[in-house]
Amino acid sequence: KQEVTQIPAALSVPEGENLVLNCSFTDSAIYNLQWFRQDPGKGLTSLLLIQSSQREQTSGRLNASLDKSSGRSTLYIAASQPGDSATYLCAVNSNDYKLSFGAGTTVTVRA
Amino acid sequence: EAQVTQNPRYLITVTGKKLTVTCSQNMNHEYMSWYRQDPGLGLRQIYYSMNVEVTDKGDVPEGYKVSRKEKRNFPLILESPSPNQTSLYFCASAGTGVQPQHFGDGTRLSIL
Repeated sequence: KQEVTQIPAALSVPEGENLVLNCSFTDSAIYNLQWFRQDPGKGLTSLLLIQSSQREQTSGRLNASLDKSSGRSTLYIAASQPGDSATYLCAVNSNDYKLSFGAGTTVTVRA
Repeated sequence: EAQVTQNPRYLITVTGKKLTVTCSQNMNHEYMSWYRQDPGLGLRQIYYSMNVEVTDKGDVPEGYKVSRKEKRNFPLILESPSPNQTSLYFCASAGTGVQPQHFGDGTRLSIL
């Protein structure tokens, strides 16, 4: 069974600092990996999806890397803003379309 | 607007009273799924469906039923709800191939 771990569980940084969020998974036979953002009382918003054949994916200030062999992905958020405050979830899609989620990293960006 | 719509958003009910949470998507997606989110346990998959009339169990299917009679709808049925099913529920959908999953806003169920 795929196990997904996210470290740290919570992170507080001053505005403008770069964010580094880590995700590790136990089974490297994955289809893709997806990063989500969840705001309080809201659903999940997809940020980036990395296919198993890719090493990284970028969208604006966000960059996600994937090292399948070591079972790791990292989400980088450049020049953080207070609006980036949210919980970030990593989800691994196994070959049978089952998503396994990490517990998330709750980010607070202080103005 | 492309979206996944869940109803109701909030529900308080009692043990044993059958309930249905509806999920509808307007993106013509083949894949749909239900998750529950609990503090400390994260999101766990309940059931998923690859297409009409095709459903499969996720990690925590006990106590739940689903059906997929139409492509756009994927209701979650709790035939005899119990307090341990108190949770925040999410429905999601995705197209075929390497496509991101789109989530609804969630349904908060409280079973007393």
